[in-house]
Amino acid sequence: GDSVTQMEGPVTLSEEAFLTINCTYTATGYPSLFWYVQYPGEGLQLLLKATKADDKGSNKGFEATYRKETTSFHLEKGSVQVSDSAVYFCALRATADGLTFGKGTHLIIQP
Amino acid sequence: DSGVTQTPKHLITATGQRVTLRCSPRSGDLSVYWYQQSLDQGLQFLIQYYNGEERAKGNILERFSAQQFPDLHSELNLSSLELGDSALYFCASSLGQGVYEQYFGPGTRLTVT
Repeated sequence: GDSVTQMEGPVTLSEEAFLTINCTYTATGYPSLFWYVQYPGEGLQLLLKATKADDKGSNKGFEATYRKETTSFHLEKGSVQVSDSAVYFCALRATADGLTFGKGTHLIIQP
Repeated sequence: DSGVTQTPKHLITATGQRVTLRCSPRSGDLSVYWYQQSLDQGLQFLIQYYNGEERAKGNILERFSAQQFPDLHSELNLSSLELGDSALYFCASSLGQGVYEQYFGPGTRLTVT
């Protein structure tokens, strides 16, 4: 079946550091890929998405490129802020069913 | 604020009981999805409804059921509750059935004692 693998963390960085959170997937067909963010005590918010190979999703300084050859969708940000501290989920959707999520990566940014 | 509302915010109940969680989708959205978030299983898709009809099932236990009403709100019914059912239950809605963006509600935290 479909699956998503991502580093679980916690990942601790200093403010203004470069961020990479790795995400790889296994799916049949051509899934759409997503990054969601969950702030403490809140629901999930869509951060960015890509629907086909080589698409780059971007939002709020975060970027991720759909790499079909490596089945990856790594999340990057050039300079993180304390306010970026949250749990980040990589997800895919290959059919009309619900999303398949990774385990989530807890990101902690220290001032 | 995603526009998706869920009630109640918190629910504490005993093993063997039955509870109902409620979700109101964003205005105009026809699809509703239910997800369970637990420490050991992570985020799992449970079930999807589109315009009142069940359209997809994920890892939903037989003790759990859901429905979507004519006004498009949805309810998730959990019965014969076990300690392991303690989790955050999220509802999400989207415009249609395809790869539309899913908007998540704030969740209902269920604690089974």
